[in-house]
Amino acid sequence: QKEVEQNSGPLSVPEGAIASLNCTYSDRGSQSFFWYRQYSGKSPELIMFIYSNGDKEDGRFTAQLNKASQYVSLLIRDSQPSDSATYLCAVNKSNTGKLIFGQGTTLQVKP
Amino acid sequence: GAGVSQSPSNKVTEKGKDVELRCDPISGHTALYWYRQSLGQGLEFLIYFQGNSAPDKSGLPSDRFSAERTGGSVSTLTIQRTQQEDSAVYLCASSLTGFNQPQHFGDGTRLSIL
Repeated sequence: QKEVEQNSGPLSVPEGAIASLNCTYSDRGSQSFFWYRQYSGKSPELIMFIYSNGDKEDGRFTAQLNKASQYVSLLIRDSQPSDSATYLCAVNKSNTGKLIFGQGTTLQVKP
Repeated sequence: GAGVSQSPSNKVTEKGKDVELRCDPISGHTALYWYRQSLGQGLEFLIYFQGNSAPDKSGLPSDRFSAERTGGSVSTLTIQRTQQEDSAVYLCASSLTGFNQPQHFGDGTRLSIL
């Protein structure tokens, strides 16, 4: 079992729709969770982080965390073609500084 | 303010040569991380520096890889006797402090071993 798992996609949504990206993790001691966006040929860009169970909203983005189910998700409302990218879920391995990354989900937003 | 700065942006070298990759973290960030991203392998942790603590080297793939951080700021990742499987994008990140803090990435160094 991988430490952080994501569906590789591609996830295809029409412009204006809600995109839902999911991630599960295995380390029950993890306390911090991050979503990065990576455009092709570019480095990862931090878009959201969450530490507590529940929802955290920032503009069109909402991160959701359920520690009991070891599940993190990212919702993108009013998806735009410019949101087309690979979204990486990253989990801070407990008691360390290292991030463990999922393989990423490719999102395609079609005009 | 300036982000994480990495140099060179691209490096092509012959198998067996040594290479040095440089990272300059965001000013004031005490934690610095190296990762690499290979096709089909995802992002892989290499090493982590936090302040004056001993670095976490648990992700270094072999003893050909080493890293230093001088003066708590700039870091150099050295790969000795490069192999073709070392070809990857090497990414540096920094965070304000360690543990649980958001990490911000530089643009990376694309390393190609011929």
